[in-house]
Amino acid sequence: NAGVTQTPKFQVLKTGQSMTLQCAQDMNHNSMYWYRQDPGMGLRLIYYSASEGTTDKGEVPNGYNVSRLNKREFSLRLESAAPSQTSVYFCASSGLSLYSNQPQHFGDGTRLSIL
Amino acid sequence: SQELEQSPQSLIVQEGKNLTINCTSSKTLYGLYWYKQKYGEGLIFLMMLQKGGEEKSHEKITAKLDEKKQQSSLHITASQPSHAGIYLCGADELTGANNLFFGTGTRLTVIP
Repeated sequence: NAGVTQTPKFQVLKTGQSMTLQCAQDMNHNSMYWYRQDPGMGLRLIYYSASEGTTDKGEVPNGYNVSRLNKREFSLRLESAAPSQTSVYFCASSGLSLYSNQPQHFGDGTRLSIL
Repeated sequence: SQELEQSPQSLIVQEGKNLTINCTSSKTLYGLYWYKQKYGEGLIFLMMLQKGGEEKSHEKITAKLDEKKQQSSLHITASQPSHAGIYLCGADELTGANNLFFGTGTRLTVIP
């Protein structure tokens, strides 16, 4: 089972360059998420998509855009990369239940460095 | 938004010892999730707790949520080197939204 797949795994960019991080899940999940993980700050939610066709801002959305391309795919775009966006980016997905929330399943992350 | 405090920030134990990691919130937790992360890898889901007083176990790991649903503990019995990693707690803000807030993690080292 592939689960949540993120590409690329590593990337180095120069300040001002643009980049799209790709995420795909094969678990037929409705909801998808993008987080960034920084030392001492834990994981912070950037954007999420509760269902296909909808996206919403999380805790730290500035400097990012997202696209929910279809049920499987949720991409994160940096239009003009800044050194402050150097981080590890995680994509996650979760199913839908009427009675309780479902755990999120995470990809292996994209390690992004902005020079 | 909720804030989650984890303690300790790091822990070094001898193989075979028991240990406990705590996760505390100032607000009532609607759902509490424990994850494990190995260096350079993604988060692996361990357990989810939703009811006050709930306790779940998997192999040598037990997680509990207190009755007030503001504190959770993760207990590892007879630790092994394979338990080493970063343990993160995450919590739901609202049922339905399913957006998680995470603690900063506890780094566990198990010395053989």
